[in-house]
Amino acid sequence: IVLTQSPGTLSLSPGERATLSCRASQTITSNYLAWYQQKPGQAPRLLIYGASDRAPGIADRFSGSGSGTDFTLTISRLDPEDFAVYYCQQYGSSPRTFGQGTKVEIK
Amino acid sequence: QEQLAESGGGLVKPGGSLRLSCTTSGFKFIDYYINWIRQAPGKGLEWLSYISPTGNAVFYADSVKGRFTISRDNAKNSVYLQMNSLKVEDTAVYYCARELRPYYEFLTGYHVWGQGTLVSVSS
Repeated sequence: IVLTQSPGTLSLSPGERATLSCRASQTITSNYLAWYQQKPGQAPRLLIYGASDRAPGIADRFSGSGSGTDFTLTISRLDPEDFAVYYCQQYGSSPRTFGQGTKVEIK
Repeated sequence: QEQLAESGGGLVKPGGSLRLSCTTSGFKFIDYYINWIRQAPGKGLEWLSYISPTGNAVFYADSVKGRFTISRDNAKNSVYLQMNSLKVEDTAVYYCARELRPYYEFLTGYHVWGQGTLVSVSS
């Protein structure tokens, strides 16, 4: 399954709302879609699994939605620490696959 | 504290071999699939392989199938990635990662990650 993320880069200011998209080439089994945040020099951090469930310790400004082939990660109000690269991943089919990433940068 | 730690990375010539280790602690190892993921310099994440708790189920990405072999030693709480016929394009940071919940519950994304180990393939 090929995952296509858009946009490639999102330029926003702190406090603004971020909407990131992930589109799959075929239906993702059981909505097994995860979102990760990665900062330079760090391992990815799981934000969302099952398309909409927040991982432990993740702030409620992060939310996931969608089903089938279209999924969205929303950050309701960007905090300075949220500027990073975000990846979606499907884990319902093998091989597991990641999207190419969306960079959220400070405007 | 649940931890994964990769080791074994380094510089190797094209066509060479390397064995990565993922040593775990702080959780019941036999309850979890373990995955390998890599990230080439300045690039995105690429899933490579997983191994089931008993080791009898494995899967590989097409990019490494036939060259890489994943295995585990449940007595040592460790997973290995044997990498043969290495190519320049295998240069990357290699991570091992574990799901949020054990295999007998629902599938999730990867909640626990190692710090990564750098593999450089160059002549």
